[in-house]
Amino acid sequence: GAVVSQHPSWVICKSGTSVKIECRSLDFQATTMFWYRQFPKQSLMLMATSNEGSKATYEQGVEKDKFLINHASLTLSTLTVTSAHPEDSSFYICSARAGQAGITEAFFGQGTRLTVV
Amino acid sequence: QQQVKQSPQSLIVQKGGISIINCAYENTAFDYFPWYQQFPGKGPALLIAIRPDVSEKKEGRFTISFNKSAKQFSLHIMDSQPGDSATYFCAASPETGGSYIPTFGRGTSLIVHP
Repeated sequence: GAVVSQHPSWVICKSGTSVKIECRSLDFQATTMFWYRQFPKQSLMLMATSNEGSKATYEQGVEKDKFLINHASLTLSTLTVTSAHPEDSSFYICSARAGQAGITEAFFGQGTRLTVV
Repeated sequence: QQQVKQSPQSLIVQKGGISIINCAYENTAFDYFPWYQQFPGKGPALLIAIRPDVSEKKEGRFTISFNKSAKQFSLHIMDSQPGDSATYFCAASPETGGSYIPTFGRGTSLIVHP
């Protein structure tokens, strides 16, 4: 399958600071990227969908000013958690989908464990 | 509203046994059904997927059975191994209409005892 690289794999930051997470599709062009949040022993919660070159579409209840998503190129999307607080600590996962019509497979990054202290 | 219901929540199987995980969906617009395997601290990995034009798909020890009329699909892991111990998620998404956003089940924690 296609490779999606997510960086960093883990990060610890102080409360009030911002953290950027990168998601790269290494061997295909991803017109759509998804950002998820996952709590322990729970399913993936979709935060937002981003299409290259356009603004992200956020799911209900997700603060777009707090979770800034940028999808400036066909191989890179970033999630910035602004003014992070302990309740933002979670496992964040991106996935990327190629742009061909009818191809629905989405491939996931390795995830980023964010701990806010 | 949970559009994809997955069961069981947890499953313990002996090595060599068959693991069966079931999912049911409600949205008839769904026409792509993948299964993902997730190990602790890792992102989900696509395991196998099926589209509704077939009732079964097999890849190695993994088989998806699909029942369109019942709106149900299941994952069968034959000859289960300790290395299969992971969390499994079913998902469903529409392939037409431009959405492609998958809806995930709640996950099944599989433990395979040696």
